[in-house]
Amino acid sequence: ETGVTQTPRHLVMGMTNKKSLKCEQHLGHNAMYWYKQSAKKPLELMFVYNFKEQTENNSVPSRFSPECPNSSHLFLHLHTLQPEDSALYLCASSQDTGTGYNTEAFFGQGTRLTVV
Amino acid sequence: QKEVEQDPGPLSVPEGAIVSLNCTYSNSAFQYFMWYRQYSRKGPELLMYTYSSGNKEDGRFTAQVDKSSKYISLFIRDSQPSDSATYLCAMSADGGTSYGKLTFGQGTILTVHP
Repeated sequence: ETGVTQTPRHLVMGMTNKKSLKCEQHLGHNAMYWYKQSAKKPLELMFVYNFKEQTENNSVPSRFSPECPNSSHLFLHLHTLQPEDSALYLCASSQDTGTGYNTEAFFGQGTRLTVV
Repeated sequence: QKEVEQDPGPLSVPEGAIVSLNCTYSNSAFQYFMWYRQYSRKGPELLMYTYSSGNKEDGRFTAQVDKSSKYISLFIRDSQPSDSATYLCAMSADGGTSYGKLTFGQGTILTVHP
């Protein structure tokens, strides 16, 4: 069982719907990330949170809205999406100790999103 | 030009073969290099990690980094059907939070047939 859990595993939503993706990490990490994996394209970093603060938004459209209430939970709120937003959305976490020692990024299993 | 180039394959080899997977990159600031393995319907899992240039070996897997050529490789010896997966190269410029800020290649689909 992965230390990073994502729900739901699959989601089908209409373009006018509002939905949320949830990520929870049980590893005690302080940094969390959202990545998008589209067919035939590399994983793309979307957002970075460090100690609950957003430190990076990689030019993501505002129809994607992240939320990080604490270091263990990360959400991605979705509204008025387009069919081209259909993809696998992956959450990851890592530990930044600030002392030069870092851990690898651990990924969840992803949410397969289909926008119809 | 993509920052990281990786041949998507697919690559099909017989069991026992030596597999060579490669990526090239353009950003000279990259200094952390990783290989992730992704099975179907799963998230990526870290396979190998290398800092700067050099080789690293772990069992049947060897990772090589040549920063002068901006070229990284992953070799799999005695490949097994269980190695069938998508292999993703990933790179990062800094440590800290940047350790999770990865730039990925497209991934190479590998099938090892018995």
